[in-house]
Amino acid sequence: AQRVTQPEKLLSVFKGAPVELKCNYSYSGSPELFWYVQYSRQRLQLLLRHISRESIKGFTADLNKGETSFHLKKPFAQEEDSAMYYCALSGQTQGGSEKLVFGKGTKLTVNP
Amino acid sequence: GAGVSQSPSNKVTEKGKDVELRCDPISGHTALYWYRQSLGQGLEFLIYFQGNSAPDKSGLPSDRFSAERTGGSVSTLTIQRTQQEDSAVYLCASSITELYGYTFGSGTRLTVV
Repeated sequence: AQRVTQPEKLLSVFKGAPVELKCNYSYSGSPELFWYVQYSRQRLQLLLRHISRESIKGFTADLNKGETSFHLKKPFAQEEDSAMYYCALSGQTQGGSEKLVFGKGTKLTVNP
Repeated sequence: GAGVSQSPSNKVTEKGKDVELRCDPISGHTALYWYRQSLGQGLEFLIYFQGNSAPDKSGLPSDRFSAERTGGSVSTLTIQRTQQEDSAVYLCASSITELYGYTFGSGTRLTVV
């Protein structure tokens, strides 16, 4: 069965410091991975997809199949990055359809 | 519409009552998903609709939960005989294809007292 693990519930860094939000997954197939972000009082939104190999708001994430990881990184954190971050894996449900499986999330706080 | 719309935004109900939550997806998005977001539990998949196919109900936690999608557009999630453990934020999302990611609504915060 597919599973997404985000080992840190809370992460606190200072402005300008590097930040890494960890995500590990378990999936027998070829994974499609995503990061979603939820800012305070806003709806959950897509941050980036591994398939696009993109950098959004300075964040990048590299899929490491050997370590089954998809860690989210930013070299210099900003206060506006404070939010809840969810890692998600595209996998099959028991019903056979494709859907996203989410980790439990990491709350990032960037202190001034 | 421009985004996924959910109503009501907040719902307080008494234990044992039935509730209906509504989701209006983005026009043209054939896939619609319901998730439940609880504190410390992340997002729990509930049900998935794709076009005219039979819905994938494998995530529904009990037979008190049901959902329908009329005309391939608006969806209603119904919880019968609500219990306190049903209290959560219920999120709806739609997509053209999941590889492009989901667009989420702002959710319905359900409180069962």
